[in-house]
Amino acid sequence: QVQLVQSGAGMKEPGSSVKVSCKSSGGAFNNYFINWVRQAPGQGLEWMGGILPVHGIIKDAQNFGGRVSISTDESTGTVYMELHSLRPEDTAVYYCARDVRQFTFASGFVQWGQGTLVTVSS
Amino acid sequence: EVVLTQSPGTLSLSPGETATLSCRASQSVGSDYLAWYQQKPGQAPRLLIYATSKRATGIPDRFSGSGSGTDFTLTISRVESGDLAVFYCQQCSSAQVTFGQGTKLEIK
Repeated sequence: QVQLVQSGAGMKEPGSSVKVSCKSSGGAFNNYFINWVRQAPGQGLEWMGGILPVHGIIKDAQNFGGRVSISTDESTGTVYMELHSLRPEDTAVYYCARDVRQFTFASGFVQWGQGTLVTVSS
Repeated sequence: EVVLTQSPGTLSLSPGETATLSCRASQSVGSDYLAWYQQKPGQAPRLLIYATSKRATGIPDRFSGSGSGTDFTLTISRVESGDLAVFYCQQCSSAQVTFGQGTKLEIK
């Protein structure tokens, strides 16, 4: 059973960047898209982007104006999401989530990390 | 961007009743790219249905999905107290993923 374990919570100042990691254990990783989804306090879900580690294919959400960088380290089974130029409205729980089907983008996110709370405040 | 509009905003039912949740898209969505999630308080979302009508592993057959084009439905038969949650639909079109705003299921 694949598990996704994310890095810990953090507080950041406006204008800075945050990098969240998502490490896969216990199963296939490279052949599935790993996506990033965030949820502001009391709000709904917002997709940020995704990556297929085996080919390095990246899908970007248009809403973030290029502020999101997604990368992978296949050797450790880890995917990273970096969000730049942080604003207070970026305060949210950030999740990584694995696609249900191999080599298929966004047919459904079946495995989720535990979430990482990022608080942006001066 | 495809906008997903879910209705109703809140659904209040007694145990044993059937819940019918709607998800309407602003443009046609491919049937392979419509999914439903359940999110209980303080938890990550859980995939219930993908490809419009396929149940994810371990999801009871009380949960079923249907629809096509711009209109999709999640049906929960024999609602239980443990089904209390917010339910989201999700689509992918032109490599952009969007979620609906959610339907909150309350149990009387």
